[in-house]
Amino acid sequence: DTEVTQTPKHLVMGMTNKKSLKCEQHMGHRAMYWYKQKAKKPPELMFVYSYEKLSINESVPSRFSPECPNSSLLNLHLHALQPEDSALYLCASSQVQGQGYEQYFGPGTRLTVT
Amino acid sequence: LAKTTQPISMDSYEGQEVNITCSHNNIATNDYITWYQQFPSQGPRFIIQGYKTKVTNEVASLFIPADRKSSTLSLPRVSLSDTAVYYCLVGWSGGYQKVTFGTGTKLQVIP
Repeated sequence: DTEVTQTPKHLVMGMTNKKSLKCEQHMGHRAMYWYKQKAKKPPELMFVYSYEKLSINESVPSRFSPECPNSSLLNLHLHALQPEDSALYLCASSQVQGQGYEQYFGPGTRLTVT
Repeated sequence: LAKTTQPISMDSYEGQEVNITCSHNNIATNDYITWYQQFPSQGPRFIIQGYKTKVTNEVASLFIPADRKSSTLSLPRVSLSDTAVYYCLVGWSGGYQKVTFGTGTKLQVIP
């Protein structure tokens, strides 16, 4: 099974709402990632978890709060977002000790902030 | 992290072989070369990865010259469904993978 699942597929939220994005994988990968992708741009790394611990935070605003409850799950909690945060949010996973950059991506959550 | 340079876009007719070249002059000794494919509104999909010479799988081939300063992704007999953005990444995880995607190459396959 090389599948990474993400829910929901689409999300519309107001600037005062609190919502969460969810990601799940069952490949035994111990590294998990959140990316943000704006239209016609490459994915931008936001957070990296390694062995369920936050390893990288790419200076992401605190209105985005990641959580890794166990080795298969990754959440991204959203609060007080801005319209410019509207984007495709991608989750990925990989082995921690790989050779190159072989990651498996989910289909993404399309987020619209109104 | 090694910087990569790819053509912004390419056009090809169906049934042709397509070669997309990526330049990575400052590649480090431990770095691998990885290619991803991305369709609109979908997550990137891992295509192929290599360190040197030639790697082939059921989807593509990757050619890496001896100096490793460039690499070429080869897609045999493309179809309309191969229309996508292709990203070349260079690096070595050695732990978690702090990936930086470049601008990628938009491949348009024409009927």
